[in-house]
Amino acid sequence: DAGVIQSPRHEVTEMGQEVTLRCKPISGHNSLFWYRQTMMRGLELLIYFNNNVPIDDSGMPEDRFSAKMPNASFSTLKIQPSEPRDSAVYFCASLPSLGPRTDTQYFGPGTRLTVL
Amino acid sequence: SQQGEEDPQALSIQEGENATMNCSYKTSINNLQWYRQNSGRGLVHLILIRSNEREKHSGRLRVTLDTSKKSSSLLITASRAADTASYFCATAKGDNYGQNFVFGPGTRLSVLP
Repeated sequence: DAGVIQSPRHEVTEMGQEVTLRCKPISGHNSLFWYRQTMMRGLELLIYFNNNVPIDDSGMPEDRFSAKMPNASFSTLKIQPSEPRDSAVYFCASLPSLGPRTDTQYFGPGTRLTVL
Repeated sequence: SQQGEEDPQALSIQEGENATMNCSYKTSINNLQWYRQNSGRGLVHLILIRSNEREKHSGRLRVTLDTSKKSSSLLITASRAADTASYFCATAKGDNYGQNFVFGPGTRLSVLP
């Protein structure tokens, strides 16, 4: 398996632009998590889905952030409009529903976002 | 405040020495996990300990859990330069839908050759 795939790996944009981050979880995993990591705030859970349904989005910082999971193999995190303080590394992680490692999250490589 | 908080924030040791990192948390949990993050990479799961377990081993890793003190420790024995990374504890609390994870701020470990 290729693992969790995220794209793009790096994104540089200007303030006010829309940014869309993408994630493909590991096939068969039924939970998906979006995290944001900064030096100041560490790793923050933004939202998580179970069976494509958003379960907890209390970590989403503002209405400028939205996340969707239209099917089991794809999720997006959108920021509109983007601001410099959104600059961070955004990670996607998935969790299997069956098997001996149902408590282990598998992380993608992250998307490094820079908003100028 | 964060559910899991690692201590120390940074640790520097010589190759071959043991490294101990601690994690404290505030609420009840189903399990506690330790992850490693190499610079510029995603987190990688190291070991999980359930709330009814007290100690667990995996290779050079030893994890303990004290639910009465709401704390855990990660011991890396005979450290190597390749162990240089940030280490995070994550507490997991399940609900009807699945698991919700909270990560601490991490401990930056530097192993000097």
